[in-house]
Amino acid sequence: AQRVTQPEKLLSVFKGAPVELKCNYSYSGSPELFWYVQYSRQRLQLLLRHISRESIKGFTADLNKGETSFHLKKPFAQEEDSAMYYCAQGVGNEKLTFGTGTRLTIIP
Amino acid sequence: NAGVTQTPKFQVLKTGQSMTLQCAQDMNHNSMYWYRQDPGMGLRLIYYSASEGTTDKGEVPNGYNVSRLNKREFSLRLESAAPSQTSVYFCASSESYTRKTQYFGPGTRLLVL
Repeated sequence: AQRVTQPEKLLSVFKGAPVELKCNYSYSGSPELFWYVQYSRQRLQLLLRHISRESIKGFTADLNKGETSFHLKKPFAQEEDSAMYYCAQGVGNEKLTFGTGTRLTIIP
Repeated sequence: NAGVTQTPKFQVLKTGQSMTLQCAQDMNHNSMYWYRQDPGMGLRLIYYSASEGTTDKGEVPNGYNVSRLNKREFSLRLESAAPSQTSVYFCASSESYTRKTQYFGPGTRLLVL
């Protein structure tokens, strides 16, 4: 079974400091990779997909096939970034697999 | 365009009671999903429907049933609620099973006493 690992359940970062949320995936080929964000008591929203190579709200994610990682980064954290972040992997005809999530708290 | 909608938003049940959670999408998506979200467990797939007329079990199907009523609607039924089913339930949809981007509903908070 495919697995997505987000090693940090909780992450606290000071406002203005860089943010990195870690994600490691299990598939050795070329999966589709996603980051979803969930603000307090709201629905999950797609933050970015690796195939789009886009930057949303200042976040970027780089695919590292050698390390099978897809870490989410932002150079300067803002208070509104406090949320739950989920990494997800999609492989072929299999369902999307989510990690267990990282709760990011930005300290003012 | 409402996207994915869910009803109710919040429900309290007593152990043994039954209820149905409703989900509808207006994006003409073929695939729909039900997840539960629990602290420390992330999102776990309960059931999914790859296309109209099909349903399949996910990771945690026990205690649940689903119905893909038509292309738009996918309901989740708890026949005999248990306290372990206290959770937040999310419905999601995607264009197809192989088009992986999923769009989520606002969630239903369920408390089983």
